[in-house]
Amino acid sequence: GAGVSQTPSNKVTEKGKYVELRCDPISGHTALYWYRQSLGQGPEFLIYFQGTGAADDSGLPNDRFFAVRPEGSVSTLKIQRTERGDSAVYLCASSSTRLADNEQFFGPGTRLTVL
Amino acid sequence: KQEVTQIPAALSVPEGENLVLNCSFTDSAIYNLQWFRQDPGKGLTSLLLIQSSQREQTSGRLNASLDKSSGRSTLYIAASQPGDSATYLCAVRPVISSGSARQLTFGSGTQLTVLP
Repeated sequence: GAGVSQTPSNKVTEKGKYVELRCDPISGHTALYWYRQSLGQGPEFLIYFQGTGAADDSGLPNDRFFAVRPEGSVSTLKIQRTERGDSAVYLCASSSTRLADNEQFFGPGTRLTVL
Repeated sequence: KQEVTQIPAALSVPEGENLVLNCSFTDSAIYNLQWFRQDPGKGLTSLLLIQSSQREQTSGRLNASLDKSSGRSTLYIAASQPGDSATYLCAVRPVISSGSARQLTFGSGTQLTVLP
């Protein structure tokens, strides 16, 4: 595709439920990032993939959060036992490590609301 | 730990005015700095990327400067228009020393309103 896409655009769930958020990166981009943005704040890093492996997951807030990228393209962010504090916009970005500047391109985000 | 600060948090200007948005960061060991635009309810659009070896980048009415040693960047918008109204975010990327540490650290943004 032309850009990074994310689905769903909006997700409303109840406290304690499980959710999955999907990211389709730009074709050919080997690096993929997940960020979380709370209202009035800048995005905060969650996890970074290089290919299929998580190269850095130091931003995941706790073990309820997990992400996969099994074939090195699409990634899924999984949140177990959701809490109201998980409500935020979840942004995905991708970049090509072949380019010197490694510019990151962002998707439109998924707005998660936990009731 | 890198910290990025943007001042002011909000700015309102009349159409046609030139303006400057400020960004400061605490750790000068950066690989590059990006300025983004974010419209309400939307994702981030990259405006300008400055490599650590560069002093400035220009795109149309936008000019971004970087003073790495003092930990500062500015985004200059010339002849502002109502369509420029959005939140502007700056983000820094650390020096790449391994396979990790590629993530961006963002400021909280400056919410710009250009009045017609």
